[in-house]
Amino acid sequence: EDKVVQSPLSLVVHEGDTVTLNCSYEVTNFRSLLWYKQEKKAPTFLFMLTSSGIEKKSGRLSSILDKKELFSILNITATQTGDSAIYLCAVPKAAGNKLTFGGGTRVLVKP
Amino acid sequence: ETGVTQSPTHLIKTRGQQVTLRCSSQSGHNTVSWYQQALGQGPQFIFQYYREEENGRGNFPPRFSGLQFPNYSSELNVNALELDDSALYLCASTWPGTDTQYFGPGTRLTVL
Repeated sequence: EDKVVQSPLSLVVHEGDTVTLNCSYEVTNFRSLLWYKQEKKAPTFLFMLTSSGIEKKSGRLSSILDKKELFSILNITATQTGDSAIYLCAVPKAAGNKLTFGGGTRVLVKP
Repeated sequence: ETGVTQSPTHLIKTRGQQVTLRCSSQSGHNTVSWYQQALGQGPQFIFQYYREEENGRGNFPPRFSGLQFPNYSSELNVNALELDDSALYLCASTWPGTDTQYFGPGTRLTVL
């Protein structure tokens, strides 16, 4: 069965700090890895990674995938209070099918 | 805003009752998935519908059932509610053959 593990479980930082979130996975027939941000209810899509070593960036957020070591990292630089959320990573079973999620990392950014 | 809508926003039921949750997918998306998210956990896959047929199911008992309509909207039905069914129920839509799923705001179900 596919398995996704995120660490740390939670962390508290101050505005301006850099945050690094980890996601390791064990899946058969890897296709991609997705990152979502969940503030109140709806997880909102951040990145999809398919190729190893290629960094995806969007403003202060960036993510990279290591297909050999089976993990991904999400970095947030110059954190703001609006970055406070649960960050989820997930892998799909097959195209467009079941997503297996990790337990999430809760990030709290203090002013 | 993903264009995926869900109703109702909140719901309170008692054990043994039945509930129906609704989801309208993003325009053009004909695949809808349902997830259950318990407090402090990641979402768990319940099932997926594609062209009105069930297209994959997670480890949920048969009292969790669903429907998809010709306009791609979907329903999740849960019979004989149990206390452990209290959770956030998320609906997600996507185009077939793509991995990115877009989530609605969810329905918070509380079973007393």
